[in-house]
Amino acid sequence: GAVVSQHPSWVICKSGTSVKIECRSLDFQATTMFWYRQFPKQSLMLMATSNEGSKATYEQGVEKDKFLINHASLTLSTLTVTSAHPEDSSFYICSAETGLGHNEQFFGPGTRLTVL
Amino acid sequence: DAKTTQPTSMDCAEGRAANLPCNHSTISGNEYVYWYRQIHSQGPQYIIHGLKNNETNEMASLIITEDRKSSTLILPHATLRDTAVYYCIVRVANDYKLSFGAGTTVTVRA
Repeated sequence: GAVVSQHPSWVICKSGTSVKIECRSLDFQATTMFWYRQFPKQSLMLMATSNEGSKATYEQGVEKDKFLINHASLTLSTLTVTSAHPEDSSFYICSAETGLGHNEQFFGPGTRLTVL
Repeated sequence: DAKTTQPTSMDCAEGRAANLPCNHSTISGNEYVYWYRQIHSQGPQYIIHGLKNNETNEMASLIITEDRKSSTLILPHATLRDTAVYYCIVRVANDYKLSFGAGTTVTVRA
């Protein structure tokens, strides 16, 4: 159990376009989901925390108007990279927690975004 | 401000135990020690966590020193598939945020 999926697994887009990445918890309800970004040879950096039905909380330095997060249900959160530019090329990873007591986070497989 | 310190890299032989150290000298009483690993180009995978007692599961064992200032993750019989970056993270129980440091790159060699 505790599977988190992401779609797409990779995407290539032109500069200036928007890209939507989906994160789904397949066998549990996730009250809280997280979005991370990882540049090559670097560690994961938390971008934002999203709770179902409420606005996301963004980490310092992350532009909320550029990285739109929607957590419309207990099993789905989406990250939209608006007007993507080459510097947005990265590995985007989501994770989810059930919120029941003290649980580990379950991570998705990641989405590789390449902006040309 | 790094809460944990880990060696940058380590090698281990296939079939042998891999002992991964982590220092967390500023850990507070309500912070747990978590271990995750990330295989190349995949999302992190939860391994184990503990507060003060040693813990064991099907993947690994976690040994926490009595003063809680350091811990060791033990992979009892390392396989080539255990090659990954291993992250030691301290986290307050009611705080969902995970702060990933640089981790330890573990290479298991045949």
